[in-house]
Amino acid sequence: SQTIHQWPATLVQPVGSPLSLECTVEGTSNPNLYWYRQAAGRGLQLLFYSVGIGQISSEVPQNLSASRPQDRQFILSSKKLLLSDSGFYLCAWTPGSGLIGYTFGSGTRLTVV
Amino acid sequence: DQQVKQNSPSLSVQEGRISILNCDYTNSMFDYFLWYKKYPAEGPTFLISISSIKDKNEDGRFTVFLNKSAKHLSLHIVPSQPGDSAVYFCAASEPDSGNTPLVFGKGTRLSVIA
Repeated sequence: SQTIHQWPATLVQPVGSPLSLECTVEGTSNPNLYWYRQAAGRGLQLLFYSVGIGQISSEVPQNLSASRPQDRQFILSSKKLLLSDSGFYLCAWTPGSGLIGYTFGSGTRLTVV
Repeated sequence: DQQVKQNSPSLSVQEGRISILNCDYTNSMFDYFLWYKKYPAEGPTFLISISSIKDKNEDGRFTVFLNKSAKHLSLHIVPSQPGDSAVYFCAASEPDSGNTPLVFGKGTRLSVIA
């Protein structure tokens, strides 16, 4: 069966520090991968999505970036965090075969102080 | 411009009564709709979906109704239980969009009071 792993679960980082959040999917190949952020009162905001290795689409201009170095690995990064980067970050995947509906990871609570 | 709107940020219902969560959309190309449920500090989980060829889909206590002419859908939970307390997100997809991200609403926080 397919599973999605996301870590760390919580993270407290100072302003200006770098960020790296990792997401991996098991039990499938060539998934579509997504990074979302849930900020207070703002619902689920799509940040990046990827339909294949090295293919990244950015939805929101900001100081975050994403990379997909391997088929089932999706990384969210920042060189210098801002206070406004605080939020709950979610990774999700779909089979990418025309089937609709995400499976989400358990999320990372990021607090920038 | 928000294509999927959940205009009620919160809803409070007594246990055993019906909960009705509403969702409106503006993109007439959307043809598949989903509801997700999210507990605090957890990822959303899929709840129920409906295709635009239907106007109703039922799964146990959960029923989703779709009114295409009004571009409106609703999620009914009957009877409501305390464990249903969560944030509910409405999402929509265009045809043949296996590679296109879902569009989510901002969510409605449901509180079921015992």
